Amino acid sequence: GESVGLHLPTLSVQEGDNSIINCAYSNSASDYFIWYKQESGKGPQFIIDIRSNMDKRQGQRVTVLLNKTVKHLSLQIAATQPGDSAVYFCAVYPNTGNQFYFGTGTSLTVIP
Amino acid sequence: KAGVTQTPRYLIKTRGQQVTLSCSPISGHRSVSWYQQTPGQGLQFLFEYFSETQRNKGNFPGRFSGRQFSNSRSEMNVSTLELGDSALYLCASSLGSGGAREQFFGPGTRLTVL
Repeated sequence: GESVGLHLPTLSVQEGDNSIINCAYSNSASDYFIWYKQESGKGPQFIIDIRSNMDKRQGQRVTVLLNKTVKHLSLQIAATQPGDSAVYFCAVYPNTGNQFYFGTGTSLTVIP
Repeated sequence: KAGVTQTPRYLIKTRGQQVTLSCSPISGHRSVSWYQQTPGQGLQFLFEYFSETQRNKGNFPGRFSGRQFSNSRSEMNVSTLELGDSALYLCASSLGSGGAREQFFGPGTRLTVL
């Protein structure tokens, strides 16, 4: 199986600052990771993914970092905007498994 | 391209009743997975369907069942509802099945059991 945890349940940042959201997983066989954003009343929205053969992947204003040694995943959001306020969670897929495992989410609040 | 759609968006039922939720995947996607989301547990995997066959199943009782049609639309059924079944039920679609792949979610069906 897999156990996924997030380091902080809530995070508040000033508008324009960078945000970092962390995720830890337990199964070293996990090889595919997705970050999702979920706004109130909506379904999770795919942000960015990364496979275990990579350490870093960048998207528009977002970067995902993967440290397989310590089984840690982070999502960095540059120049955080009020529209970034949401719950963020990671999904982890072990190559020995048959399903995604999800963290419980970090609620990001952007202060104008 | 239209996203994943789920109907109904909201549902109120009483204990003992049964409910059917529907999910239409992204056009061309043949895999549909169902999840239960609650504040305390986060997202919990229910089951996955691909080409009308259940491929994987999570740790939920037999009261939770599903099926998939030839057009890839999927339904989930919960029988003999319990108060603890109150949750947001999400479906997600993927192009293929088996292994790690991108998965896109619908808006969910909010089920309240009274």
